[in-house]
Amino acid sequence: DSGVTQTPKHLITATGQRVTLRCSPRSGDLSVYWYQQSLDQGLQFLIQYYNGEERAKGNILERFSAQQFPDLHSELNLSSLELGDSALYFCASSTHRSGGDTQYFGPGTRLTVL
Amino acid sequence: GESVGLHLPTLSVQEGDNSIINCAYSNSASDYFIWYKQESGKGPQFIIDIRSNMDKRQGQRVTVLLNKTVKHLSLQIAATQPGDSAVYFCAENIQGAQKLVFGQGTRLTINP
Repeated sequence: DSGVTQTPKHLITATGQRVTLRCSPRSGDLSVYWYQQSLDQGLQFLIQYYNGEERAKGNILERFSAQQFPDLHSELNLSSLELGDSALYFCASSTHRSGGDTQYFGPGTRLTVL
Repeated sequence: GESVGLHLPTLSVQEGDNSIINCAYSNSASDYFIWYKQESGKGPQFIIDIRSNMDKRQGQRVTVLLNKTVKHLSLQIAATQPGDSAVYFCAENIQGAQKLVFGQGTRLTINP
């Protein structure tokens, strides 16, 4: 158990809908990262937040947005969902601001768009 | 450029044998490397890391070797067990970029 929690574990929705994924980092970690992993694909970095502020952006679509709250939990919002958005979404956390630190991953949310 | 690749997408070994998973990286400015294990349906799990000032680091049944001359990283698993079946990712931190770049992963399958 990494100490990173994610909810929900599974999410099934329809095209055009909007969903929110939630992540709580390990105790003491200030950085939160979001990744997308499609079937048999590697981890695609989406975005990083550090202590409530956006720090780095990766291949995140404009339909996706995220935020980190004062209690350090983070939410990833996916809107106008398309079939191709079906994937595993992982949250990771680390202690420091640098994205090059060891990142500890949560169990993921499996999103299925029908 | 930024790329971390894997020599083989799949690897099958006999239970009890040693496994060696390889990873090539292209950025000589990378100064920190991590191996992750991802079991089916689970999140990546930290296994072991190594900094660029080291050539070798050992953990429990695992050893990571770093060859900076040829920009090559390997993960050795001793006495492979069925529970070692997973996809293994290498990741590198590119100094200055301050982000981890993940490889595509190698699927390790254990034959009984």
